[in-house]
Amino acid sequence: RKEVEQDPGPFNVPEGATVAFNCTYSNSASQSFFWYRQDCRKEPKLLMSVYSSGNEDGRFTAQLNRASQYISLLIRDSKLSDSATYLCVVSSSGGYQKVTFGIGTKLQVIP
Amino acid sequence: GAGVSQSPSNKVTEKGKDVELRCDPISGHTALYWYRQRLGQGLEFLIYFQGNSAPDKSGLPSDRFSAERTGESVSTLTIQRTQQEDSAVYLCASSLEAREGDEQFFGPGTRLTVL
Repeated sequence: RKEVEQDPGPFNVPEGATVAFNCTYSNSASQSFFWYRQDCRKEPKLLMSVYSSGNEDGRFTAQLNRASQYISLLIRDSKLSDSATYLCVVSSSGGYQKVTFGIGTKLQVIP
Repeated sequence: GAGVSQSPSNKVTEKGKDVELRCDPISGHTALYWYRQRLGQGLEFLIYFQGNSAPDKSGLPSDRFSAERTGESVSTLTIQRTQQEDSAVYLCASSLEAREGDEQFFGPGTRLTVL
């Protein structure tokens, strides 16, 4: 089983739609969780951290379920500019922050 | 301020040649990471530096791969006797430290093509 699993997609959604991605992780000792965004042929950039209580940043909501070992990202009112690959990132302590990236979920927002 | 920079941005080499990839992290960042991303694939961890030491080299795929970091700044990733399967984008990232929750800032990557 992979340490971090994501559905690679692609998810093709119309503008204005709400879309949700899930990610599961295998290491129950994982401490920190993030969503990164990677545009085509660009480097990944932090979208948001994921907190135990869940957190929201504008149209983006991230949630963590430790019991089931998954995190989610919800995007409301999708924009064309949201088209990208969304990387689930899990960090576990092992003397340092060892991060593991998921393969990413590709989102294509269609006019 | 300046972000993470990498050079060269593109490198085409012949099979069997050695290549050196360079990463300049954000000034003051003590933690530095190297990743590899093959076409259509996820990020594959290669090596992590804390300061000048490399506590975790577990991701280096073979002994043809090595990396060093000097002066808690620049890092170089060296691939000896390159093979076609080494073709990928090599990404470098730095973070202030390596604490839980520290954001990693990525460079633009070096696209390596081995003919």
